[in-house]
Amino acid sequence: KQEVTQIPAALSVPEGENLVLNCSFTDSAIYNLQWFRQDPGKGLTSLLLIQSSQREQTSGRLNASLDKSSGRSTLYIAASQPGDSATYLCAVSGSARQLTFGSGTQLTVLP
Amino acid sequence: SAVISQKPSRDICQRGTSLTIQCQVDSQVTMMFWYRQQPGQSLTLIATANQGSEATYESGFVIDKFPISRPNLTFSTLTVSNMSPEDSSIYLCSVVGTSGVNEQFFGPGTRLTVL
Repeated sequence: KQEVTQIPAALSVPEGENLVLNCSFTDSAIYNLQWFRQDPGKGLTSLLLIQSSQREQTSGRLNASLDKSSGRSTLYIAASQPGDSATYLCAVSGSARQLTFGSGTQLTVLP
Repeated sequence: SAVISQKPSRDICQRGTSLTIQCQVDSQVTMMFWYRQQPGQSLTLIATANQGSEATYESGFVIDKFPISRPNLTFSTLTVSNMSPEDSSIYLCSVVGTSGVNEQFFGPGTRLTVL
């Protein structure tokens, strides 16, 4: 059974810092990996999707990498802003496209 | 991306009653899922909603408790039956987009509180 772990569980940084969120998964037979953002009381916003054949994806200040063989992904956020404060969720997709989620990293960016 | 709406956005229900949650998508999609997010926890897949056939449930979830309908490619319902306080959660529907990269999009969720 696929298990997804996210480290750290919580992170607080001053505005402007670059930061890295980590995600690991136990079964490397994934279809793709998605990073989401969840604001309090809200649904999920898709940030980046990496196909299993890809190594990284970039969108603005966000860069996600994938090392499928070692079961790891990182989400890099450059020049963090208070508006980046949210919970970040990593999820891997199986062959039937069902997602297995990590427990999330709660990020606070201090002004 | 797909635009997904859910009704109701939140509800407070009494123990022993049932609630039906609706999920509407602005375009036809093949794959649709229902997830649960218990307080302070991450998301767990309840079932895959199959159009024209019975839903496929994950381990720990059964049709009698969470009946699902999917009459067409843009709409699905999830019913939470015979509710108890342990059913208090956010329930979210999701769809796989049609762009070919299998990106998954989520509705805004239904926040359910059972007293």
